[in-house]
Amino acid sequence: EPEVTQTPSHQVTQMGQEVILRCVPISNHLYFYWYRQILGQKVEFLVSFYNNEISEKSEIFDDQFSVERPDGSNFTLKIRSTKLEDSAMYFCASGYGNNSPLHFGNGTRLTVT
Amino acid sequence: DAKTTQPPSMDCAEGRAANLPCNHSTISGNEYVYWYRQIHSQGPQYIIHGLKNNETNEMASLIITEDRKSSTLILPHATLRDTAVYYCIVAKLSYGQNFVFGPGTRLSVLP
Repeated sequence: EPEVTQTPSHQVTQMGQEVILRCVPISNHLYFYWYRQILGQKVEFLVSFYNNEISEKSEIFDDQFSVERPDGSNFTLKIRSTKLEDSAMYFCASGYGNNSPLHFGNGTRLTVT
Repeated sequence: DAKTTQPPSMDCAEGRAANLPCNHSTISGNEYVYWYRQIHSQGPQYIIHGLKNNETNEMASLIITEDRKSSTLILPHATLRDTAVYYCIVAKLSYGQNFVFGPGTRLSVLP
């Protein structure tokens, strides 16, 4: 069964550094998402992406964040200058649309020191 | 904020049916009910979804009340591997709309 894959599984970075989290969505999906989950807290929406543009973003997704679909298969989340509070699990998800369910990857654990 | 209300925790004996309730009294006519679960810190795993009819797949059954204001996820024969946080989400996944996760129900399957 096709699945969403994310790399790396764990990323450690120093405060102020840039990180890029990578995702390969399911191949025929059209909608792409990033969510995050701080340890012990709820899963939170960051951004959705459709037709090569951001369709919705949350208050968390400020100017330090950006997303890109550089080719036909990858979907990336960039954090320009990481802060300690960016430490979290980051989940990528994709969906076909038309009320079909979203499918999530197993996440990247980002640790900012 | 999430549009659903779930009990924070439940226990179930291994081999018995687990019935997880969800209230969604403000659901609108074109919103679906989705159920996901999260085991440890893995990504949320899709279980089942429905609009108004009851649904069944290899993992679970979904019972939606006639007025659509509540639903129940049924795991017919719970195993220890079903121990997880279960999320009930209502959404209309049109262009750009996303899932809003609540705290979910922590289901513990006991031997």
